[in-house]
Amino acid sequence: DGGITQSPKYLFRKEGQNVTLSCEQNLNHDAMYWYRQDPGQGLRLIYYSQIVNDFQKGDIAEGYSVSREKKESFPLTVTSAQKNPTAFYLCASSGGASYNEQFFGPGTRLTVL
Amino acid sequence: GQQLNQSPQSMFIQEGEDVSMNCTSSSIFNTWLWYKQDPGEGPVLLIALYKAGELTSNGRLTAQFGITRKDSFLNISASIPSDVGIYFCAGRPDSWGKFQFGAGTQVVVTP
Repeated sequence: DGGITQSPKYLFRKEGQNVTLSCEQNLNHDAMYWYRQDPGQGLRLIYYSQIVNDFQKGDIAEGYSVSREKKESFPLTVTSAQKNPTAFYLCASSGGASYNEQFFGPGTRLTVL
Repeated sequence: GQQLNQSPQSMFIQEGEDVSMNCTSSSIFNTWLWYKQDPGEGPVLLIALYKAGELTSNGRLTAQFGITRKDSFLNISASIPSDVGIYFCAGRPDSWGKFQFGAGTQVVVTP
């Protein structure tokens, strides 16, 4: 089955700790994206990558970092510099024959205590 | 970044009624997408539109790509309880780079 997986589904961390969220896709898509969603709000772009070993900041990149060493993987690190990290994080990808369509993973809910 | 203007923000309807929502952009798009998101889940792509004036259906859902290329509409006919959720529009002006999103329309269906 082709798709996007995010793990874990729920994540708890203490304030001041860095945490890495996983995103893997087997759709052979070139582009991958990370979004943040807060209650009652739309999606805000954190980082995106259009090709391996390259990525660009989105609208709210401060306090986050990413890497794109493999086409299938685009992990997001939420650093201690992120002032309000508790949120629902969504990974997405686009590419191939459906390059104008974006597909989402199931999301990771991060709670910082 | 620019967000799309999506309305209405929420809708409370009775089972069997039709639902309409729309999105507008200040710039021209070459792609419009409509998603549904259930609580605690990722958005699921419902319909993709690529040409001005295009009308596409997916079951009881129908979406249109506006003639001006700055807007799109989604209709749900004969709503049922499982239509409950948040519907998002998305689009982008070219074939690469960032997608832009609406803030979502929350649909509540009462029996």
